[in-house]
Amino acid sequence: GDSVTQMEGPVTLSEEAFLTINCTYTATGYPSLFWYVQYPGEGLQLLLKATKADDKGSNKGFEATYRKETTSFHLEKGSVQVSDSAVYFCALHGSGNTGKLIFGQGTTLQVKP
Amino acid sequence: DAGITQSPRYKITETGRQVTLMCHQTWSHSYMFWYRQDLGHGLRLIYYSAAADITDKGEVPDGYVVSRSKTENFPLTLESATRSQTSVYFCASSAQGLSNQPQHFGDGTRLSIL
Repeated sequence: GDSVTQMEGPVTLSEEAFLTINCTYTATGYPSLFWYVQYPGEGLQLLLKATKADDKGSNKGFEATYRKETTSFHLEKGSVQVSDSAVYFCALHGSGNTGKLIFGQGTTLQVKP
Repeated sequence: DAGITQSPRYKITETGRQVTLMCHQTWSHSYMFWYRQDLGHGLRLIYYSAAADITDKGEVPDGYVVSRSKTENFPLTLESATRSQTSVYFCASSAQGLSNQPQHFGDGTRLSIL
C-alpha cells in the first residue's frame, strides 16, 4: 500500500542555517504531495503542496519539488528562524477521490538562536 | 471564522469508561476525519466520513465508534477506554475528496486514560 517515509529527527540547527528534511513515498499512480507543519500545542497546518511531477510548492520561504523519478518531496529552506521550530509532516493523497491522507512519522525541527 | 473546533482540549478518564470527543466545523465541508497522533507513528487515520450518514474505517478503527448525523459534527466515541488509547486526537475536514485538496485540522484533544 501507499506509504511515506521521513528522515528521523530531531533536527537541530542554528538560526540562518539551511534546512533539508527528506521525504520519500511509495504509491501507485500519481499522488498529490503535501507538507504540513505543527507548532507546539496546535493542530497541523498546510505548509505547501504539489499535485503533479516537477511541480514546486512554496510558502513562507519553504520549498519542495515533486520528483517522480526518485519518488521524493524533500522540504528545504535557505535560512531558518527560531520561529520555524515545529514538527513537519510529509503526506500523500493517493489516486481516487477518497480524501484520505497518508502521513509520514513527522520530523521535529529545533532552531537555536 | 470559527473553522474547525474540538472539545474538550484535555480529558483524563479511567479504563473502562466511555468518552466522546467532539468535532465541529463551520465550512460545510463534506469530508471529515479522525486521527490519533502517537510518538513514532505520525498521524494514523481512525475513521472518516464522506458525507452525513456515510462513515468508513481507517487504519486503526478498533475500539472507536463514530457517527455523522449532521454535516458539521463528527463525534468520536471510545466505548470502553483502554490505556493504549491514550493519545492526542485530531479532527480534520476537507471540502471534497479530491486529491489536490488539503485537510484543515482542529487543535486536538489530549486524552489520558488511567
